[in-house]
Amino acid sequence: QQQVKQSPQSLIVQKGGISIINCAYENTAFDYFPWYQQFPGKGPALLIAIRPDVSEKKEGRFTISFNKSAKQFSLHIMDSQPGDSATYFCAASIGGNNRLAFGKGNQVVVIP
Amino acid sequence: DAGVTQSPTHLIKTRGQHVTLRCSPISGHKSVSWYQQVLGQGPQFIFQYYEKEERGRGNFPDRFSARQFPNYSSELNVNALLLGDSALYLCASSRQASTNEKLFFGSGTQLSVL
Repeated sequence: QQQVKQSPQSLIVQKGGISIINCAYENTAFDYFPWYQQFPGKGPALLIAIRPDVSEKKEGRFTISFNKSAKQFSLHIMDSQPGDSATYFCAASIGGNNRLAFGKGNQVVVIP
Repeated sequence: DAGVTQSPTHLIKTRGQHVTLRCSPISGHKSVSWYQQVLGQGPQFIFQYYEKEERGRGNFPDRFSARQFPNYSSELNVNALLLGDSALYLCASSRQASTNEKLFFGSGTQLSVL
């Protein structure tokens, strides 16, 4: 079964806007929550990651918000650019290994 | 520095055949993981190897096997190929086996089974 669920499936945002992608998980043993970006023909690349002891982490234009009680976390892309057009995957894993459970992915399209 | 390199980039096989995919991790990385990504889905964990030993196995049949060599490169083998094995096979490396280490993915091997 899908341990990590993403929404929405796809997103169209205007340049300069905010892209928000949500992720929900079931297993409360998960303690590492990364977001990956994937361009066509390439492997996923780590964007930003968070652990459940903090509620928010920001790196440049990318922010993760984490809600432990709701078992949800989200990715916010501020000032979205056409170069951000890609598929974004949330993932989760349990400490001590890097065996990641990925969501199905969200396609984000940023229009000029 | 070179990233994770995988070979071949594309491969076409027929049902019942066997395939070997290869991965060279980033220099200094001792852990290699394999993932299967079916079109339109997220990657699914197959194996993790660290210091030549299997550290984890996903929910895949015994037709899938892997190994890691003394130079930390790795091979993924799939026997008796099925149409459903058609996917992008991704290799990822990290310095250690824990989640404290950033995972770097290669561009993958696109396998088509006809």
